[in-house]
Amino acid sequence: EIVMTQSPATLSVSPGERATLSCRASQSVSSNLAWYQQKPGQAPRLLIYGASARATGIPARFSGSGSGTEFTLTISSLQSEDFAVYYCQQYNNWPPCTFGQGTKLEIK
Amino acid sequence: QLQLQESGPGLVKPSETLSLTCTVSGGSISSSSYYWGWIRQPPGKGLEWIGSIYYSGSTYYNPSLKSRVTISVDTSKNQFSLKLSSVTAADTAVYYCARPEDGVFDLWGRGTLVTVSS
Repeated sequence: EIVMTQSPATLSVSPGERATLSCRASQSVSSNLAWYQQKPGQAPRLLIYGASARATGIPARFSGSGSGTEFTLTISSLQSEDFAVYYCQQYNNWPPCTFGQGTKLEIK
Repeated sequence: QLQLQESGPGLVKPSETLSLTCTVSGGSISSSSYYWGWIRQPPGKGLEWIGSIYYSGSTYYNPSLKSRVTISVDTSKNQFSLKLSSVTAADTAVYYCARPEDGVFDLWGRGTLVTVSS
């Protein structure tokens, strides 16, 4: 099983600043990496797929990068609605797939 | 607009079988070459893929749950279902049905909380 490790567990950032979230795979997943945002009481929402492609309707301030085992989600200028939990997911050789444990992005 | 809705008991006794159904509305479950899947999230914890089923009936399960999971599809009702046997408190979670396109979950139900308790 491919293990996904996200860091940090919690990230405190002020509105308007940049946030950088990391995700590492235990073995190469090529570019088969997605990012999701989850707010309390809601289902996750797809943000990024293919490591860097934004899903439909996702603002340009969200960007993804990386390949192989190291990936980054960057939110360029944090808005109030961006404070949430973010998960990465690998889907190399789908199925199966595995998720990271999540990074909570909180207001500083 | 395609939508997914989970349904089923919110409380299951230990050692019994958890059964959930996902109803697909706004489109046919067999009109496109999609997988359909189940994901769960224990309270305060992360996401775990349970398994997926192709519209034709082929199934794929998380190896850690494979011995207890059955996913099936009923195209006549536009539904797919999850059965998880021999449940324990560790199976308490919000259960989501979702549609993965090439492994990416772009459509989710709202989720349903299932508590395992006597």
